Amino acid sequence: EMVMTQSPATLSVSPGERATLSCRASQSVYSDLAWYQQRPGQAPRLVVYAASTRATGFPARFSGSGSGTEFTLTISSLQSEDFAVYYCQQYFSWPRTFGPGTKVEI
Amino acid sequence: EVQLVQSGAEVKKPGESLKISCQGSGFSFSDYWIGWVRQMPGKGLEWMGIIHPFDSTTRYNPSVEGQVTISVDKSINTAYLQWRSLKASDSAVFFCARDRGSNSGEYFDYWGQGTLVTVSS
Repeated sequence: EMVMTQSPATLSVSPGERATLSCRASQSVYSDLAWYQQRPGQAPRLVVYAASTRATGFPARFSGSGSGTEFTLTISSLQSEDFAVYYCQQYFSWPRTFGPGTKVEI
Repeated sequence: EVQLVQSGAEVKKPGESLKISCQGSGFSFSDYWIGWVRQMPGKGLEWMGIIHPFDSTTRYNPSVEGQVTISVDKSINTAYLQWRSLKASDSAVFFCARDRGSNSGEYFDYWGQGTLVTVSS
C-alpha cells in the first residue's frame, strides 16, 4: 500500500500570510495526486487534482506543484475561510490512499 | 447542479446490520464511479472502495474488504454501504463521493454531506 505522509501536522499562520503544505509518497505516484480541504463539520472539497490543476471554485491563491514523491500545496495570502484541514490523496496505485492531513490554523 | 444526498444519522447496537445510502442527481449517475470514505472520530480520511453503477464493478480497500459491502441501484441513482454485523469500531462518519476517473477510480470531485454511524451498546 502506498503510504502518504504530510508535514507539518499543524501549521499556524496569520491571515494574509503564505502557507506551504507538503505531501510525500512512499513511491512515485507521478502526477496522480489530489488535495482536499475539509472545514470542521463539513465534507471534504477537491482543491487540486493531477498535482497542479486547480478545481472549480478555488481561487488562484491555491496552487499545487510537484511530481513523483514530493508535492506541495501553497496558499498565498491566507483568508479566514482557508483555515481548515488539508489532505493529499494518491490515485496511482490501489488502494487509493490519503495522507494524515495538515491542519492550517490561525 | 451535481448533488449527492446521503441518508441520515444512525445509532445501532453491536451485531446489528445497517445499510446507508447515497443518491446522486444533476449528472449521469451510470457514467461515474461512486466511492465511500470513512472518517473515524477526530481522525483523517480513509478510502474504502468504489463502485461503477453501469456494471456494479467494485474495488475495495483490503482494510475493509469482507467487513462491508458496496452496492448500487442505478435505476434510482443510489449507491449503498452495508454492514452485516456492526462493531463499536465501525462508529464513524461515512462520506460518499463521485469519482472523476473514467476507467478506474481516481479522485473525488463531489461529496455527499456525510452519514454519522454510532455503534454502542
